[in-house]
Amino acid sequence: DAGVIQSPRHEVTEMGQEVTLRCKPISGHDYLFWYRQTMMRGLELLIYFNNNVPIDDSGMPEDRFSAKMPNASFSTLKIQPSEPRDSAVYFCASSLSGVPYEQYFGPGTRLTVT
Amino acid sequence: DQQVKQNSPSLSVQEGRISILNCDYTNSMFDYFLWYKKYPAEGPTFLISISSIKDKNEDGRFTVFLNKSAKHLSLHIVPSQPGDSAVYFCARNTGNQFYFGTGTSLTVIP
Repeated sequence: DAGVIQSPRHEVTEMGQEVTLRCKPISGHDYLFWYRQTMMRGLELLIYFNNNVPIDDSGMPEDRFSAKMPNASFSTLKIQPSEPRDSAVYFCASSLSGVPYEQYFGPGTRLTVT
Repeated sequence: DQQVKQNSPSLSVQEGRISILNCDYTNSMFDYFLWYKKYPAEGPTFLISISSIKDKNEDGRFTVFLNKSAKHLSLHIVPSQPGDSAVYFCARNTGNQFYFGTGTSLTVIP
């Protein structure tokens, strides 16, 4: 298995632009998580899905952030409009029912907003 | 509210010695506690878990201890190897909630 796939690996954009991050979970996994890592706050859970349904989005910082999972093999995290404080590494992870805490992480997308 | 807290941002250990990474938690319920390891430019990798009904779980060189009265979790790595140098995150799964600590950077000196 290729593991969790994220794209792009790096994104540099200007403040105010829309940013879309993409994730393909491991086939057969029914949980999908979006995390953000910063120096100050460490690894923060933004939102997670179970069977394509959002379960907990309490970590989404504000309305500028949205996430979708249209099918079992694809998810997006969108930031519109982006701001410099959104600069971070965004990780996607997936896991199986029964052991949702054993998460397999993608390599991350490093976002820089100038 | 930080559900899991790692108070030491970094730790250096000599190769062959024991590495002890620590984590404190609040508001205990039925939980799973976890340790993840992260190398630079990679995503975290699941290392080991323990349920809150246990005190210890061992997997090779890695042992996790859970002290429920102190609300403290620790990861022991014996013997430490240079390849263990990474950032270690403790994490917690409580019901539908998932929390990660801020990480401890371990350096194993050859």
